Amino acid sequence: AQTVTQSQPEMSVQEAETVTLSCTYDTSESDYYLFWYKQPPSRQMILVIRQEAYKQQNATENRFSVNFQKAAKSFSLKISDSQLGDAAMYFCANAGGTSYGKLTFGQGTILTVHP
Amino acid sequence: EPEVTQTPSHQVTQMGQEVILRCVPISNHLYFYWYRQILGQKVEFLVSFYNNEISEKSEIFDDQFSVERPDGSNFTLKIRSTKLEDSAMYFCASSVSGFNYEQYFGPGTRLTVT
Repeated sequence: AQTVTQSQPEMSVQEAETVTLSCTYDTSESDYYLFWYKQPPSRQMILVIRQEAYKQQNATENRFSVNFQKAAKSFSLKISDSQLGDAAMYFCANAGGTSYGKLTFGQGTILTVHP
Repeated sequence: EPEVTQTPSHQVTQMGQEVILRCVPISNHLYFYWYRQILGQKVEFLVSFYNNEISEKSEIFDDQFSVERPDGSNFTLKIRSTKLEDSAMYFCASSVSGFNYEQYFGPGTRLTVT
């Protein structure tokens, strides 16, 4: 069974500053993928970034980057130069190799961006 | 840019009634999914569908739920006899391939059971 834990129910950051959202996971799969999804008030789920577990290099997408620590089963999201539009619920998710892509989500972290 | 669409955006139904939630996945995608999110809670997997059959389902997906792809474009979720606890946001998602590819989510259908 796979589990994903986000221990920060809420986080806040000043506009233009950097914030890090935490995520830990547990899986018995040897091959898996990790994702961060953003859910704004519209409730649409938007993929922010993904990481292949077999890759040691941390994924980066513009202002978004991850710190993937495979041994520690940790997958944090760093948002640099935060913008007001980054305010949303952020979900960490895991998809395992033996499943047909089933995503297991964490509880989510609400990010507030202060002007 | 292609996108997943869902209809209706909001459905209100009475307890015990049947509802069908509709999704049109991205046209060249082969894997289809339903998730649900009870207000204020995390997103939960319901079912995955590939090659015209269910490939995986969760404990939530009991005999009251069914899925089908009736015409090669639509992907539907049916709840036969709705309960109050079925009130949630239901998301459809699709993917080109399995676990190693991005799932594209639709905007969701908000189901309210009264």
